[in-house]
Amino acid sequence: AQSVTQLGSHVSVSEGALVLLRCNYSSSVPPYLFWYVQYPNQGLQLLLKYTSAATLVKGINGFEAEFKKSETSFHLTKPSAHMSDAAEYFCAVTGANNLFFGTGTRLTVIP
Amino acid sequence: EAQVTQNPRYLITVTGKKLTVTCSQNMNHEYMSWYRQDPGLGLRQIYYSMNVEVTDKGDVPEGYKVSRKEKRNFPLILESPSPNQTSLYFCASDSTSGGRREQFFGPGTRLTVL
Repeated sequence: AQSVTQLGSHVSVSEGALVLLRCNYSSSVPPYLFWYVQYPNQGLQLLLKYTSAATLVKGINGFEAEFKKSETSFHLTKPSAHMSDAAEYFCAVTGANNLFFGTGTRLTVIP
Repeated sequence: EAQVTQNPRYLITVTGKKLTVTCSQNMNHEYMSWYRQDPGLGLRQIYYSMNVEVTDKGDVPEGYKVSRKEKRNFPLILESPSPNQTSLYFCASDSTSGGRREQFFGPGTRLTVL
């Protein structure tokens, strides 16, 4: 069965600091992995996805994530946080016919 | 503009009063899905559809119905809503039949059942 675990329901960083949001997955088959972002009062927007090509995936707004099979991880990073990055972030893994989402991490950026 | 639309965006209703939340996409996507989002639980899939007249249960289907009579529309029906169905609902669509490429999400419908 597929699942994802996001470590840390809330993460706070200072503006300009490194952003690191953690995601570990479980999958019985080679996974497709996604990061979505949800801004207040909006739907989810795709940040980036891993589909078995390059293990380092670059997404929108300067985010990137690295697929590490040995660690079953797909952590999201951004070198320098911006105030506009404040949002909730969801990691997801594909199942047979759907996506399994993590419980989300709310990112707060401190000026 | 490519988009998924949902209506209504906000709804307050009472227990037992049937309601329908509409979802429409203009991208000719085969796959459509409904999720509910609850604090601390993330998004959980209610139902999905891989094409017209093909629907199947997700993780939390109890109390919900769906239909897919046209490719663009995928309404969510609550025949007898209960307070535990108070939640934020999202419709999504994907160009692949299995929802594996990229799911496009609607803006959400916040439902309160009193």
